[in-house]
Amino acid sequence: SQQGEEDPQALSIQEGENATMNCSYKTSINNLQWYRQNSGRGLVHLILIRSNEREKHSGRLRVTLDTSKKSSSLLITASRAADTASYFCATDARDSSYKLIFGSGTRLLVRP
Amino acid sequence: DAGVTQSPTHLIKTRGQHVTLRCSPISGHKSVSWYQQVLGQGPQFIFQYYEKEERGRGNFPDRFSARQFPNYSSELNVNALLLGDSALYLCASSLELGTANEKLFFGSGTQLSVL
Repeated sequence: SQQGEEDPQALSIQEGENATMNCSYKTSINNLQWYRQNSGRGLVHLILIRSNEREKHSGRLRVTLDTSKKSSSLLITASRAADTASYFCATDARDSSYKLIFGSGTRLLVRP
Repeated sequence: DAGVTQSPTHLIKTRGQHVTLRCSPISGHKSVSWYQQVLGQGPQFIFQYYEKEERGRGNFPDRFSARQFPNYSSELNVNALLLGDSALYLCASSLELGTANEKLFFGSGTQLSVL
């Protein structure tokens, strides 16, 4: 079963605009990660935020984490056509399995 | 340095057959995980191996099995294939065990179609 749910499921914006994706999860976590996937192939790690962190930046990416609301957001500023992809949040299971639990993803389309 | 490599990239099988998927982790990475991704959904955890031992198993039937070799490469085996096994199978490696502070490096996946 999926731990996280991304919102919206799909997002279409113009190049240069900002894109915001949200993720909600159900259980307590050690960390939350965001991954990107192009055309149904391998996932690429974007950023990891620990449960004791509230905000993190990496280039044009800004991630926030609100553990009280069990939610996170990913902001991509000044989007480019090359940002077109699916974006997934993933949380650790906090059990002995060491697995990552992925959400259902947001499909982002950046129109040139 | 080479990333995570998976083979084959595409595979077509019929119901009832078995399949073996292969994965080579990034050099120096000791942990390999397998995920199944059905079209339109996020990846779901199948197995994790570390130092050749199974360290985690997802909610998949016993038809799914895996192993890790001394060189840290891994195989995922699926027996008695069902139509519902059609999916993208992703292998991921990490330096050590655990996800608390580690990111995963994913291969490009094997697209399995069961007819």
